[in-house]
Amino acid sequence: AQTVTQSQPEMSVQEAETVTLSCTYDTSESDYYLFWYKQPPSRQMILVIRQEAYKQQNATENRFSVNFQKAAKSFSLKISDSQLGDAAMYFCAYRSTPPRDGSGSRLTFGEGTQLTVNP
Amino acid sequence: SAVISQKPSRDICQRGTSLTIQCQVDSQVTMMFWYRQQPGQSLTLIATANQGSEATYESGFVIDKFPISRPNLTFSTLTVSNMSPEDSSIYLCSVRQGFGNTIYFGEGSWLTVV
Repeated sequence: AQTVTQSQPEMSVQEAETVTLSCTYDTSESDYYLFWYKQPPSRQMILVIRQEAYKQQNATENRFSVNFQKAAKSFSLKISDSQLGDAAMYFCAYRSTPPRDGSGSRLTFGEGTQLTVNP
Repeated sequence: SAVISQKPSRDICQRGTSLTIQCQVDSQVTMMFWYRQQPGQSLTLIATANQGSEATYESGFVIDKFPISRPNLTFSTLTVSNMSPEDSSIYLCSVRQGFGNTIYFGEGSWLTVV
């Protein structure tokens, strides 16, 4: 079974600075997806960024980028120019590549990292 | 991405009662998922609901406690039966859609059992 570990329960960053959130995972599969989700106080889960394991290039979405190290099974999230609205719980998640019948779409989540942005 | 609406967004429930959570998607999707997030914890998958077939439950979750309906490709319900304080959680509906079959979530239904 796959596991996802986020070793930083809490992180803080100054507004406009850069912060990196860590995530490691364990799997025997070669093809899979990795995600970062953001959960603000409203509790809705918002997709931040997605990485396909077969892609060597790191995904980027505006101020958010990842450092995907497949051999090390590491998937960190970098937030540049942090804003007050970035304050939230961040979850790293793993998903197997589903077969055609749709099975195997379960997301396995890490325990989350609570990010505080200081003005 | 799909727009996913859940009702109720929040409720306080009496011990021993049941509550049905509704999930409406603005487009047709094959697979819908129900997750639970207990206070201060991460998300755990309860079950996968495909239209026209019985829901598939994860280990530790049973149909008698969490019956699910999936009458069409845009709607699903999750019932939390015979609630106890341990059922106090956020329940999230999600769908698989789009490039890379990304999983998108609804706003969640925050239940408190007293």
